[in-house]
Amino acid sequence: KAGVTQTPRYLIKTRGQQVTLSCSPISGHRSVSWYQQTPGQGLQFLFEYFSETQRNKGNFPGRFSGRQFSNSRSEMNVSTLELGDSALYLCASSYRDGRNIQYFGAGTRLSVL
Amino acid sequence: KQEVTQIPAALSVPEGENLVLNCSFTDSAIYNLQWFRQDPGKGLTSLLLIQSSQREQTSGRLNASLDKSSGRSTLYIAASQPGDSATYLCAVHFSGGNTGKLIFGQGTTLQVKP
Repeated sequence: KAGVTQTPRYLIKTRGQQVTLSCSPISGHRSVSWYQQTPGQGLQFLFEYFSETQRNKGNFPGRFSGRQFSNSRSEMNVSTLELGDSALYLCASSYRDGRNIQYFGAGTRLSVL
Repeated sequence: KQEVTQIPAALSVPEGENLVLNCSFTDSAIYNLQWFRQDPGKGLTSLLLIQSSQREQTSGRLNASLDKSSGRSTLYIAASQPGDSATYLCAVHFSGGNTGKLIFGQGTTLQVKP
């Protein structure tokens, strides 16, 4: 069974640009969550999508947005990039059963110059 | 505010030693707690999940315990090996849901020396 797949693995952008990251969950998983990891702040929750609806949102500005498609694949978009957006972006999928184990992808490393 | 804290931030031990990593959380109303391992520049690998109704979980050389009343969890690693070198993260699903929102500790970076 394939794991959580994130593309691309690496991205380099300049300030002011926008970027779209993609996450394909484990087959059968309908919940996808996104996290930002930085050396200073650690891992912080961005948002969660379940059945194409945003169910939870973390404390991030509106420049960070996402969506989920009918096949459960999810995209995250960051507009008007800032230097501080440089981070490892991780997505996790879960079956949303009673145990709700989160399975993480390898991440997308975003560098903003 | 719901927070998760891990102590120590870094740990170096000789191969073969048994060790304990600590995790504390501010709110005893948790849904479950998950321990992860992260290798440099990589994603997270799930090690163990403990439901709020459980006291401990074991997988191979790993044993995780949960004490909700004191707001603590420990990850015990037996007979450590150089391959165990990584950052270990504790993450909590606080109650209010069966949600995808995990609150993470800052992690403990473990180095096991041959």
